[in-house]
Amino acid sequence: SAVISQKPSRDICQRGTSLTIQCQVDSQVTMMFWYRQQPGQSLTLIATANQGSEATYESGFVIDKFPISRPNLTFSTLTVSNMSPEDSSIYLCSATRTGTHEQYFGPGTRLTVT
Amino acid sequence: DAKTTQPPSMDCAEGRAANLPCNHSTISGNEYVYWYRQIHSQGPQYIIHGLKNNETNEMASLIITEDRKSSTLILPHATLRDTAVYYCIAKSSNDYKLSFGAGTTVTVRA
Repeated sequence: SAVISQKPSRDICQRGTSLTIQCQVDSQVTMMFWYRQQPGQSLTLIATANQGSEATYESGFVIDKFPISRPNLTFSTLTVSNMSPEDSSIYLCSATRTGTHEQYFGPGTRLTVT
Repeated sequence: DAKTTQPPSMDCAEGRAANLPCNHSTISGNEYVYWYRQIHSQGPQYIIHGLKNNETNEMASLIITEDRKSSTLILPHATLRDTAVYYCIAKSSNDYKLSFGAGTTVTVRA
């Protein structure tokens, strides 16, 4: 198994600013992902965080808005840039290992943009 | 990934079995059925997965029909802590991205 922690757990930010969310896994994993969950909605995949290379973004998400880093096998960051109230969501990190079926999720970061 | 269809909500009595249906009529031969749940204010949690055989673990049982077009997740003795949104996902085992639908909101009542 893997235990995932995220920092911060929640934040209130002003529009136009940026927030970086950290995701730490307690053991090495192959793949890490970032999801967004808008209020009352299901989860939507933002991107796959690739170690040592640029993240792979899903349709509708771009690097300039959501830059992602993954410097090693246990850590990733997601930045929400130039925030607007529409970015108010829960952002979740997940991880898995190649050849396994289970994906592990962090507790999420609840972001409110005012 | 094959599209899945789940009822939006269901209630269950505490201590009784909860049977959660999922329709995946366009599932392909190499796609597994996965179940996750999300308890309020938490990240999703893996429950179980299966390809064509029925599966059981400490959390639940998964019954897949012979034609694989539908499945049922069974929580054998539902507790109040099982109140959550349950997601049924059909995907191949080498595709690690998860596509979450709306899920079924299960409310377990005392």
